[in-house]
Amino acid sequence: KQEVTQIPAALSVPEGENLVLNCSFTDSAIYNLQWFRQDPGKGLTSLLLIQSSQREQTSGRLNASLDKSSGRSTLYIAASQPGDSATYLCAALFGSNYKLTFGKGTLLTVNP
Amino acid sequence: DGGITQSPKYLFRKEGQNVTLSCEQNLNHDAMYWYRQDPGQGLRLIYYSQIVNDFQKGDIAEGYSVSREKKESFPLTVTSAQKNPTAFYLCASTEDGVVSGNTIYFGEGSWLTVV
Repeated sequence: KQEVTQIPAALSVPEGENLVLNCSFTDSAIYNLQWFRQDPGKGLTSLLLIQSSQREQTSGRLNASLDKSSGRSTLYIAASQPGDSATYLCAALFGSNYKLTFGKGTLLTVNP
Repeated sequence: DGGITQSPKYLFRKEGQNVTLSCEQNLNHDAMYWYRQDPGQGLRLIYYSQIVNDFQKGDIAEGYSVSREKKESFPLTVTSAQKNPTAFYLCASTEDGVVSGNTIYFGEGSWLTVV
């Protein structure tokens, strides 16, 4: 069964800290992986999309990496701010079924 | 501004009632999707449509129905057959199929509560 796991479920850090969110997946035949941000009671906003042929993508203070061999992706957030507080979800598109499989998310709190 | 509009934001359903959630997009996207999100859980796919007048069941389609008569609209009906419908429902779209690797865009969601 293809699964996506995000650990920890919640993370609290002081403002200004650099942090890493983790995402693991069970099937290395991954087509792409996306990271999303979700504010409470809102929809998802796509942050970064990494194709299977890529190793990382960057947008501003965000950097996402993809390691298919180890089944892992990380989202690095530099110089965190209170406005970064949200739930971050990753989703993998597996080549075998072409459906997005979502993790349960990591709830990030950045304390002023 | 282009985007996806879901309505209503909050909806209450009585036992035995069918309710319809609206989803409209002005992004000119071919593919549209409905997901369900339960507290602390990932998103689960209910139905998806790659093109007008065609749609496919997702992982949890039982108790739900959809139609795709227009490119910009993909309404979801939660029928009385859905035994546990209380959840947050998210509509999404992509320029073409998810398999193409395009970014997926989401609406703001609709909260459905059974009373």
